[in-house]
Amino acid sequence: GAVVSQHPSWVICKSGTSVKIECRSLDFQATTMFWYRQFPKQSLMLMATSNEGSKATYEQGVEKDKFLINHASLTLSTLTVTSAHPEDSSFYICSAKGRAQDTQYFGPGTRLTVL
Amino acid sequence: DAKTTQPTSMDCAEGRAANLPCNHSTISGNEYVYWYRQIHSQGPQYIIHGLKNNETNEMASLIITEDRKSSTLILPHATLRDTAVYYCIVSRGGGADGLTFGKGTHLIIQP
Repeated sequence: GAVVSQHPSWVICKSGTSVKIECRSLDFQATTMFWYRQFPKQSLMLMATSNEGSKATYEQGVEKDKFLINHASLTLSTLTVTSAHPEDSSFYICSAKGRAQDTQYFGPGTRLTVL
Repeated sequence: DAKTTQPTSMDCAEGRAANLPCNHSTISGNEYVYWYRQIHSQGPQYIIHGLKNNETNEMASLIITEDRKSSTLILPHATLRDTAVYYCIVSRGGGADGLTFGKGTHLIIQP
C-alpha cells in the first residue's frame, strides 16, 4: 500500500514553455501533498506543501507564480513550471500523506530538462 | 526541524549487518526520527521511524538512545540492492510537515 505515482517520468522542453507534472496517490487519499526539487549531487529541497482544497504554502525563495501547484482532489496534485528556463532543469519529486498514514510516501520523480 | 549529522559514506560487505549512525542532539520532545533511502535517480523510499522506543519492521531496525540524541539504523543482512543514500530526518510525528533532507550517508554494499 501507500503508492505514489508521477507523470511524466521525464520531460524535455524548450525554454519559455510551460510543463505540467502530475502526482497521484494510487491506493489512498492524500490529505497533504508535498513537492520537492533535487539538483544534481544535492539533496532534496522542499518547494511547497499543499492540502486538498487549499492554496499551497511555498517555501522561502520559491516563486509561487512560476511553480503553480493545484491539489484539486484527494488523489491528484499538479505542479506546473511556467515559462521554464534552463536553470529550472531538475528532478522534481512529490510525496503524499493520507489520514491513515503517519509518514510521507514519495513518488518516483520527474526529470525536467529545459533546452 | 532539528538538524542531523550522518557520516558521508560507509561500506558494508554483502550479507553483513549495516549499521548507520545518526546524531540529532537538538531533537525536541515531539519530534520523531525518520529514515528514508534514495537509490540513484529514484524518489526516496520510507524505511522506518520512531519516537523513543526501538522499532523493527521487515526492512530494518531502528535503535534510539535513551536520551534520544542519536540513533542507529540497522539493515540486518545487506544486499547489493541496499546500496543507496540513507537520510536520517527528525520531524514532528504524523508526517504532515515537509521534510528537511541533509546530505545523508552513501552506503555502498560490497560483494
